[in-house]
This record gives sequence, C-alpha cells and structure tokens, in this order.
Amino acid sequence: SYELSQPPSVSVSPGQTAIITCSGDFLGNRYACWYQQKPGRSPLLVIYQDVKRPSGIPERFSGSNSGNTATLTISGTQAMDEADYYCQAWDSSSVVFGGGTKLTVL
Amino acid sequence: QVQLQQSGPGLVKSSQTLSLTCAISGDSVSSFTAAWNWIRQSPSRGLEWLGRTYYRSKWYNDYAVSVQSRITINPDTSKNQFSLQLNSVTPEDTAVYYCVGDWGRFAFDYWGQGSLVTVSS
Repeated sequence: SYELSQPPSVSVSPGQTAIITCSGDFLGNRYACWYQQKPGRSPLLVIYQDVKRPSGIPERFSGSNSGNTATLTISGTQAMDEADYYCQAWDSSSVVFGGGTKLTVL
Repeated sequence: QVQLQQSGPGLVKSSQTLSLTCAISGDSVSSFTAAWNWIRQSPSRGLEWLGRTYYRSKWYNDYAVSVQSRITINPDTSKNQFSLQLNSVTPEDTAVYYCVGDWGRFAFDYWGQGSLVTVSS
C-alpha cells in the first residue's frame, strides 16, 4: 500500500521560514495537500493541488511537489502557526495521510 | 459556507454497530460536484479515511480496504445528511470520527466538529 512519510517534529523561530516535507514514491505524479490541526480542533486545509491556497489562508503558506517529495513552506512563521501538519494524497480510489509533523515555534 | 454537524453516541460496546450522522448546510448531499466522506483519527492509526458517498446521476460509494467488510455510508436526501455505520466494532475502532466534504480538488475542504467514539470491551 502507498505510504507518506513526514518528520515527527520541526522547530522554527518566530519570523523564520518553516519547511515541512512529505515523502512518497513518485509523489510528484499525484496531487498533494496539507492540513493544519491545532489541539482539540478539526483539521484545516491550507494547501491543495500541490500549490493552491484556499480562501482565507495567509500568503505565508506555500507548497510544492516534485519527484518523491512534497513541501509545505511557512514564511515569516508566527506563534499562531504552531500546530500539527499532515500531508495527504490519493492512491487509486483511496486516500493516504502522512503521520503528521508537530511544528514548534520557539 | 458549508457547515457539517455531526451527531451520534459517544460510547459503543464491542461487537456492536457504531452509527453517526452528519447534517449538511450550505450544499446538498445530492450535489453533482461534492463527495461526502468519513475520516477518523486515533493516536495509534493517525488520520484514516474510511469512505465516501457521492451522486453523479446515481449514487456511488468507495470504501477503504481496511474497513470495507464492515462499513456502510448512506445518503439521506430527505434530511440532507449522510451517515456512517461500522459493524462489529472493537476497541481498536476507538477514535475521533469526522464527516468531511470535498469538491473534487483532491483535498478535503470542510470538516465536521469531530465525534469521539469509545468502544468498550
């Protein structure tokens, strides 16, 4: 079965750039998306179709996807961005999620 | 703006059936562009997609291989909602269950508030 791998944790200082990766075989041939989840809340879509931002998502969130790796980049990271982040892709008619990355803003 | 409101019991006994309902506002369960999904989340299994129902001149369902022998997702057009039934549950089915809508963008756009369901042994 298809799998997506993420680093368990990433740390960043306020104002700096956070980079979260998601790896899977030939992931660049599929659409990847990203969700932000804060404690006790439902996941929130922040990037879809590799690079697109839903309405209301700040411009500091961006995405890319090539080869075997999709990347979520948060520029000028703010304290409010501290959360768990999950990547997701489709495999045939099923869905795969990454294991999640805890972003800590120190 | 689409809103999804979940309801159902928070405690189910092992071997019984887990049942949840998701009421839709802001769109129709019979929409030609939307699909209506159930996703669960637990510390041991992470986020896990369970399945979906959608209407494209007729009703379709897709289910995850891991639960396909135990799951049914049904639309209810009279109430504009959809439901999840998961049979023969075990404590491993303990999780937060979410109903989720997607509009063909290969991503899940709107999530319900989540329902913690505990399966007691």
